Amino acid sequence: RKEVEQDPGPFNVPEGATVAFNCTYSNSASQSFFWYRQDCRKEPKLLMSVYSSGNEDGRFTAQLNRASQYISLLIRDSKLSDSATYLCVVLSNDMRFGAGTRLTVKP
Amino acid sequence: NAGVTQTPKFQVLKTGQSMTLQCAQDMNHNSMYWYRQDPGMGLRLIYYSASEGTTDKGEVPNGYNVSRLNKREFSLRLESAAPSQTSVYFCASSDRGPTDTQYFGPGTRLTVL
Repeated sequence: RKEVEQDPGPFNVPEGATVAFNCTYSNSASQSFFWYRQDCRKEPKLLMSVYSSGNEDGRFTAQLNRASQYISLLIRDSKLSDSATYLCVVLSNDMRFGAGTRLTVKP
Repeated sequence: NAGVTQTPKFQVLKTGQSMTLQCAQDMNHNSMYWYRQDPGMGLRLIYYSASEGTTDKGEVPNGYNVSRLNKREFSLRLESAAPSQTSVYFCASSDRGPTDTQYFGPGTRLTVL
């Protein structure tokens, strides 16, 4: 079993839709959690950290559920520019990346 | 301010050849990392350097060596390339360690024939 698992998608949604991704992790001692965004054939860039109490940054909301060992990312009012692959990242002994969830937002 | 730079951008090697991937950052960060990204696998940590003068193995270190030449530069060497090392290699840096934001370079696309 992979340490960090994500639904690969693709998720195809219309502009303005709300979409949510989940990511599960296996190491209960994991300490820190992040969402990165990666555009096609580009490098990953930090989207947001995930805090225990949940956090919001504009249209993006991240949640952590330690009991069920998953994190989630909610995107409201999707824009065309949100089309990308979203990588879940979990820090245990070292950084573990999920394989990513691909999102395509269509007009 | 270029951030994290990597050279080369593309490389094709034959099995058994050696090469060094170069990485430099101009953000005065302490920590630097090398990852590989394969389809369906996500990024996997090869080696990291918490600070100048230190290096540690990550998840997939076999077949690679690293050198933290100074605070700015962190190189990755393939001594005898194998087809299984065909991948996209990303270098990253962060200020105080992995809990800080990691800034990635543009990547090196390596093919081993």
